[in-house]
Amino acid sequence: QVQLVQSGAEVKKPGASVKVSCRTSGNTFTNYNIHWVRQAPGQGLEWMGIINPHGGSTGYAQKFQGRVSVTRDTSTSTVYMELSSLRSEDTAVYYCTREFPYSYCIGYWGQGTLVTVSS
Amino acid sequence: QSALTQPASVSGSPGQSITISCTGTSSDVGGYNHVSWYQQYPGKAPKLMIYDVSNRPSGVSSRFSASKSGSTASLTISELQAEDEADYYCNSYTSSNTYVFGTGTKVTVL
Repeated sequence: QVQLVQSGAEVKKPGASVKVSCRTSGNTFTNYNIHWVRQAPGQGLEWMGIINPHGGSTGYAQKFQGRVSVTRDTSTSTVYMELSSLRSEDTAVYYCTREFPYSYCIGYWGQGTLVTVSS
Repeated sequence: QSALTQPASVSGSPGQSITISCTGTSSDVGGYNHVSWYQQYPGKAPKLMIYDVSNRPSGVSSRFSASKSGSTASLTISELQAEDEADYYCNSYTSSNTYVFGTGTKVTVL
C-alpha cells in the first residue's frame, strides 16, 4: 500500500521560507518520481516540480524557478519541498504525489500540507 | 506553460452521460500519451481516475472513460450518479519535461 505522509501545517511571514516533508512507505522509494502540486484556496491544481529519487535530478515549473527546491533523503525515504521568498499568494495546500506504476502520470497523493503566509 | 483549457462547469441529470474536454497544444496533450484525469471532492486530495489517456486504475468505475484526439483529451462519465458531483482536472506531460494541469471542471448532477 502506497502511503505519502506529509508534515503538518505551517504559518509563515512574507519573505520567509517553508520546507515541507513527505515520507513515503515501502521499499520502492527510488523507483518512482515524486511530484509537488499545490492548490490555493478555491483555486485549481498547480504543478510545481518533480524529483527522481534514484539520482536526485529535479525539474521545476518555470513559475517557481529560483524559488523552489526539491530534495530527497534516501536513507529515510523522504522528499522535501522548500519554497522561499514567500508571499501571500503562496498560501495553499501543498501535495506530495507519486507516479503510478508503469506510467509517468501522478497516481498517489499525500494528505496535503496547508501553508499560510500572513503578516 | 499555460494551464490546459477545461470548461468551468458541466452538468447533467442522473443516468445521463457528460463529457469534459481538456484542450492543450502539440507540446503537451497533442504530443504525449501521459494524460491523466483526477476527481476531487471539497477538502479532499484528488483521486486518479484515468492515466495514460484512457487507462482506468483498479477500483475506478467503468462508467469513467477517456480518449484523446489531436490536442484535446476528453473524459466521459456515463450513467451519471449523484456521487460523481465533484471537480475534475486533467494533467499532461509537456515538451519542457514538466507537467501542466487543466483549469478544472465542476460537475453538477441536477
